[in-house]
Amino acid sequence: EVQLLESGGGLVQPGGSLRLSCAASGITFSSYVMSWVRQAPGKGLEWVSSISGSGGSTYYADSVKGRFTISRDNSRNTLYLQMNSLRAEDTAVYYCAKCVVVPAAKAPGPDYWGQGTLVTVSS
Amino acid sequence: SYELTQPPSVSVSPGQTARITCSGDALPKKYAYWYQQKSGQAPVLVIYEDTKRPSGIPERFSGSSSGTMATLTISGAQVEDEADYYCYSTDSSGNGVFGGGTKLTVL
Repeated sequence: EVQLLESGGGLVQPGGSLRLSCAASGITFSSYVMSWVRQAPGKGLEWVSSISGSGGSTYYADSVKGRFTISRDNSRNTLYLQMNSLRAEDTAVYYCAKCVVVPAAKAPGPDYWGQGTLVTVSS
Repeated sequence: SYELTQPPSVSVSPGQTARITCSGDALPKKYAYWYQQKSGQAPVLVIYEDTKRPSGIPERFSGSSSGTMATLTISGAQVEDEADYYCYSTDSSGNGVFGGGTKLTVL
């Protein structure tokens, strides 16, 4: 059974930093593209970032580029999202997601999702 | 930036067919995915790679894609299908994008 467990969310002041973690089990972690997706209160889903199975390729939404860094530790089956220079508009539930295996050119999309961790940016 | 466009809302009576569209210029070359999200819950994949249905998803859910439009069809919609539905794909650079979401009402 695939399980994704996010942690690290909480309340942080504007300009502050947080690191989210996502512990994966039930999968050969290094075989999959992994993604972070967020959802602001009352809003739709927003793709944040993705990382290839090896960690060699990373992708970011324009809204977080230069502030957030995605990484993974395949020896620990764990995905990370380092969030710096946080803004009020980063307030959201952050989901970790495993992606299906397809050729990169065809768009690997999320299939399994964690339950999410809430990040609140407020003074 | 690349966008996927969905109608904000779709309404059907129980037993009718609901169709939710998603348009995007890159869809002829990229797969579309569909997610169901009920209030307070994580999204659930209902269609992947344009037309495939994950195990455990009812057969009334189907997907299609033609040109720049992908479509999620719920044949014989049930009250329990009432939820928000999102399409997902990527742009030509591999950056992900979700549609704005469609609120399906079944009543």
